[in-house]
Amino acid sequence: AQKVTQAQTEISVVEKEDVTLDCVYETRDTTYYLFWYKQPPSGELVFLIRRNSFDEQNEISGRYSWNFQKSTSSFNFTITASQVVDSAVYFCALFGANNLFFGTGTRLTVIP
Amino acid sequence: DTGVSQNPRHKITKRGQNVTFRCDPISEHNRLYWYRQTLGQGPEFLTYFQNEAQLEKSRLLSDRFSAERPKGSFSTLEIQRTEQGDSAMYLCASSLGGTRSPLHFGNGTRLTVT
Repeated sequence: AQKVTQAQTEISVVEKEDVTLDCVYETRDTTYYLFWYKQPPSGELVFLIRRNSFDEQNEISGRYSWNFQKSTSSFNFTITASQVVDSAVYFCALFGANNLFFGTGTRLTVIP
Repeated sequence: DTGVSQNPRHKITKRGQNVTFRCDPISEHNRLYWYRQTLGQGPEFLTYFQNEAQLEKSRLLSDRFSAERPKGSFSTLEIQRTEQGDSAMYLCASSLGGTRSPLHFGNGTRLTVT
């Protein structure tokens, strides 16, 4: 069975603060892929990153960074120096059984 | 790459009516997915197509729901005899297929059943 847990329902930060969004997953597959998506108020899900289970190297893309730790089944997402445009709902997802399983999302509000 | 297109963006219907949504995927993508998203929840898988073949359906897809992708390009999702519980955002996504390819989502169709 596949399961993704995002324990943080809502987070508010003041602009320029760093923020980390937590994601914990469960799977019995030995090979799997993890994703993060952003859903702004417009509603469209925007792909941010894909990580496969064999690559635990952390990744940085501009102000975004991801920390994948297989030992704790976590795939956390950090936004550095947050901006108002980062306000959105962020979903962590696990690809298994031919489709994506999403967590319940974390609503991030960046206060100017 | 024009992205995944869905229409209509919004649909309001009365309980008991039938509704149909359309999704146009990214042209070279052979996989097409339908998801449903209710308020405060993550998207839930409904069904997916590999070209024109519907390969998997979720138990969420009751007999009142039917999806087609007749020529392996656009897809339609029909809901018959709508119920208030069908009110949700219906999301379509496409991908090149396989676990490596990310799903690219459209803006969704928001259905309100009154």
